[in-house]
Amino acid sequence: RKEVEQDPGPFNVPEGATVAFNCTYSNSASQSFFWYRQDCRKEPKLLMSVYSSGNEDGRFTAQLNRASQYISLLIRDSKLSDSATYLCVALDNYGQNFVFGPGTRLSVLP
Amino acid sequence: DTGVSQNPRHKITKRGQNVTFRCDPISEHNRLYWYRQTLGQGPEFLTYFQNEAQLEKSRLLSDRFSAERPKGSFSTLEIQRTEQGDSAMYLCASSRQGPEQYFGPGTRLTVT
Repeated sequence: RKEVEQDPGPFNVPEGATVAFNCTYSNSASQSFFWYRQDCRKEPKLLMSVYSSGNEDGRFTAQLNRASQYISLLIRDSKLSDSATYLCVALDNYGQNFVFGPGTRLSVLP
Repeated sequence: DTGVSQNPRHKITKRGQNVTFRCDPISEHNRLYWYRQTLGQGPEFLTYFQNEAQLEKSRLLSDRFSAERPKGSFSTLEIQRTEQGDSAMYLCASSRQGPEQYFGPGTRLTVT
């Protein structure tokens, strides 16, 4: 079993739709979590950190459930430019070992 | 451009040859990471430096792989006796004290 698992993709949604991605992690010692976005043939870029209380950044909302060891990302009012692969990342409590999930591909269709 | 840079961007080599990649992190970022990414997968951690010290090394990193960061600034990743399974994108990332990482554009290695 992989340490970080994500919903298999791809997700094909129309513009304006709301889409949610889930991610689970197996290492209960993981302390910090992130969502990265990766465009085709580009490097990953930090989208947002995930805090225990949940956090929102514009159309994006991230939630963390430590008891169930899962993280979610909600995108509201999706735009064509949101099309990308979304990577879930768990960081161990030493702050050194970043474990990436395999990513979920999103295609927002006109 | 003050982002993370990597050279070369592409490398094609024959099986059995040695290759070396370079990463220049963002200035004053003391942490530097190397990852490998294959198609359809997320980046896999290879190794981590804090300043010049290599603090963590993945089990994925066989004896053919070695990384250095001699002066705590740029880093090199060398693969000796390349195999076709080494074909991948090699990504470098840097960070300061916080956990957020900034990635370079990667070096795409093709072993023929």
